[in-house]
Amino acid sequence: ETGVTQTPRHLVMGMTNKKSLKCEQHLGHNAMYWYKQSAKKPLELMFVYSLEERVENNSVPSRFSPECPNSSHLFLHLHTLQPEDSALYLCASSQRLAGDINEQFFGPGTRLTVL
Amino acid sequence: RKEVEQDPGPFNVPEGATVAFNCTYSNSASQSFFWYRQDCRKEPKLLMSVYSSGNEDGRFTAQLNRASQYISLLIRDSKLSDSATYLCVVRVMDSNYQLIWGAGTKLIIKP
Repeated sequence: ETGVTQTPRHLVMGMTNKKSLKCEQHLGHNAMYWYKQSAKKPLELMFVYSLEERVENNSVPSRFSPECPNSSHLFLHLHTLQPEDSALYLCASSQRLAGDINEQFFGPGTRLTVL
Repeated sequence: RKEVEQDPGPFNVPEGATVAFNCTYSNSASQSFFWYRQDCRKEPKLLMSVYSSGNEDGRFTAQLNRASQYISLLIRDSKLSDSATYLCVVRVMDSNYQLIWGAGTKLIIKP
């Protein structure tokens, strides 16, 4: 299934590195999301974009910087991360932001390890 | 108190058995309810929405109890392929795009 793709699938970085996560959706959806999933914890919503505009920033530290150049692509730029930022980062998209039908389709995730 | 609470399990169940688990939510303004399934090292996928009157999809039955603020998932005639983590998800009325996720219940079906 290639509805939502993410690269890279695995990333190991030092605390002083700068890296970017990429997400692409091929579903023609208008809304895209970044989530963080840590072991045994609920998914944490980080950012929400609707029609390329950011509509939600859930008190995410500034070391995470999202970018949405168009409705199909979403990036998460990382710099000076901390070891506790190690987690699975999931990208998702939905047809639209609101409404009764709001199924979110997820990418396979990027497993990030910060040393 | 967690907004969406689930028993983490794991539930170890023999193949062919019936298993049920619940999820409780704290916000009475919760509007929509879902069960997602997440296989090991995979992404979450929608299993089914939960409607007020309860709904069934093959071997899976979901029910909602608004008075007690919980939803349930029943799996009949469980298969080995049902082994996964089941995530309870709620959408709150005053935040029509933000989904609130439970941490999941792990289910292991044994032959």
